[in-house]
Amino acid sequence: NAGVTQTPKFQVLKTGQSMTLQCAQDMNHEYMSWYRQDPGMGLRLIHYSVGAGITDQGEVPNGYNVSRSTTEDFPLRLLSAAPSQTSVYFCASSFARGYEQYFGPGTRLTVT
Amino acid sequence: QQQVKQSPQSLIVQKGGISIINCAYENTAFDYFPWYQQFPGKGPALLIAIRPDVSEKKEGRFTISFNKSAKQFSLHIMDSQPGDSATYFCAASMGYGGSQGNLIFGKGTKLSVKP
Repeated sequence: NAGVTQTPKFQVLKTGQSMTLQCAQDMNHEYMSWYRQDPGMGLRLIHYSVGAGITDQGEVPNGYNVSRSTTEDFPLRLLSAAPSQTSVYFCASSFARGYEQYFGPGTRLTVT
Repeated sequence: QQQVKQSPQSLIVQKGGISIINCAYENTAFDYFPWYQQFPGKGPALLIAIRPDVSEKKEGRFTISFNKSAKQFSLHIMDSQPGDSATYFCAASMGYGGSQGNLIFGKGTKLSVKP
């Protein structure tokens, strides 16, 4: 099992560019989520999904879009990158909402 | 009411000492309290978790103490080692095993264990 995988590992964007962060899991987990981690701010939930075709907003959803067409994949789209979106992004999956979450290795994003 | 407040922000402990990290919550509906450990450049990983029907859970050198009346829980690391140097996050959720509530994370504690 690869667990939760994320690509790319590092990315630099210019303000206004768009991109998609990829996340995949091979544990057949129903619940998947995206967090951003900033110094002193902990892990803040961006969006989550409780199953294919179902997504919802977390604490900091503005500027991000998600979709869940399969159980395995949960991509995060940045619509028009801003410097405030410079962060480390983690994808996580879980058997169900509220259960133990398995985190991916993260994507470090810099927006200039 | 959804917040989990974690302290201290950073902690320096000598090798062999006891590291203590505290968390407090307001929502009495929370019923699952995990601790995550994160090494630099890695994603967080579950370290130990507790439910409110017990006051303490121990796994090796790691112990969670839970005080339901005070709405507080803490992580104790006995005989701290340099390899324990990491960032630790407490978290809480409600409806464990059900359909309610995402995990709410504290802001993290950066632990440094000096040799």
